[in-house]
Amino acid sequence: NAGVTQTPKFQVLKTGQSMTLQCAQDMNHNSMYWYRQDPGMGLRLIYYSASEGTTDKGEVPNGYNVSRLNKREFSLRLESAAPSQTSVYFCASNVRVSDTGELFFGEGSRLTVL
Amino acid sequence: GQQVMQIPQYQHVQEGEDFTTYCNSSTTLSNIQWYKQRPGGHPVFLIQLVKSGEVKKQKRLTFQFGEAKKNSSLHITATQTTDVGTYFCAGPWGSNYKLTFGKGTLLTVNP
Repeated sequence: NAGVTQTPKFQVLKTGQSMTLQCAQDMNHNSMYWYRQDPGMGLRLIYYSASEGTTDKGEVPNGYNVSRLNKREFSLRLESAAPSQTSVYFCASNVRVSDTGELFFGEGSRLTVL
Repeated sequence: GQQVMQIPQYQHVQEGEDFTTYCNSSTTLSNIQWYKQRPGGHPVFLIQLVKSGEVKKQKRLTFQFGEAKKNSSLHITATQTTDVGTYFCAGPWGSNYKLTFGKGTLLTVNP
């Protein structure tokens, strides 16, 4: 049982390049989330998907797009990367649509934008 | 803006000392969760508190939810080096899907 799997684990980009972070969960969870973590800032929600076919903005959505490809997969895209997007990105999922149950996190994707 | 405030930001203790981190919300929460993140790792769920005044224990860890459901605390008795990491509280903000995290308390333990 892999849980939440994120790829890639590390990535270095140049300013203006694009990339997609992939996330998949095998727990049959309805809701999926993308967070970013910066030193001293805790975890900030970028986008979430309450259920398959729906997505919505979190606290810091600017510069990102997401796709809920199916129930298992939720991807995060940076269309034109900026140095301010250097961060560690975590994908997470949980069971319920209607309440905030335990979040299961992936191992993270460390992104550096030069 | 940040809906959940957490203090202190850092805490360094000698092994065997106690440790407490506090979490305060600007609004009443339906529930609050606590997570632990080891250095270089990902957040791992510890517990969820739902009821007003609730107290739960996990071995040396004691979690409390305030009577007004606007604050919470995590207390570790007799810290060990394995307790090192950042402890986050998290509460639902806005719709139930938006779990907002505090900035965390980084605990270091001197053996």
